[in-house]
Amino acid sequence: GAVVSQHPSRVICKSGTSVKIECRSLDFQATTMFWYRQFPKQSLMLMATSNEGSKATYEQGVEKDKFLINHASLTLSTLTVTSAHPEDSSFYICSARDPLAGLKETQYFGPGTRLLVL
Amino acid sequence: AQTVTQSQPEMSVQEAETVTLSCTYDTSESDYYLFWYKQPPSRQMILVIRQEAYKQQNATENRFSVNFQKAAKSFSLKISDSQLGDAAMYFCAYRKDEKLTFGTGTRLTIIP
Repeated sequence: GAVVSQHPSRVICKSGTSVKIECRSLDFQATTMFWYRQFPKQSLMLMATSNEGSKATYEQGVEKDKFLINHASLTLSTLTVTSAHPEDSSFYICSARDPLAGLKETQYFGPGTRLLVL
Repeated sequence: AQTVTQSQPEMSVQEAETVTLSCTYDTSESDYYLFWYKQPPSRQMILVIRQEAYKQQNATENRFSVNFQKAAKSFSLKISDSQLGDAAMYFCAYRKDEKLTFGTGTRLTIIP
């Protein structure tokens, strides 16, 4: 299957600072990427859909000014958590689908980023 | 809105035995996709199997197979010849128009 990477794998930051998480499709071009959040022992919740060259589409209840998404190229989407607070501590996962693949409806996931805000 | 329900928070199975994980979903759509993903302790989400709603034939992938009952909106996963490496959280997911909706997950433990 397609390979998606994330960087960093874990980050610790102080309250009030901003953190950027990168999501890359390594062997395919992804016009659409997705950002999820997963709290401990819970399921994945879709935060936003990232579209290359256009604005992201945020799910209801997700603050777009707090979670800035940029999808500047066909292989890279970034999520910036601005002015992070302890309640933003979570596991953030991105996914992407390969529109040219046989299983084009399938989303492939990155390994996730654990964010801890002190 | 679509909802996905996994009624078994935890399941356990003896190594080499067979286990079935249940999943039901709610939708008014007729064309959609269903998936089972596995999340081991590394937390990397791994695709296990997928099913297109328009296909009546149940998907199979080696030791993994599904029982897709469209009218009942049921999508269970059967794991045959369970192995220690199958231990993980298993999430059922529904896809329509790009978006994936996940169930709450079932934690599968393999007993040696």
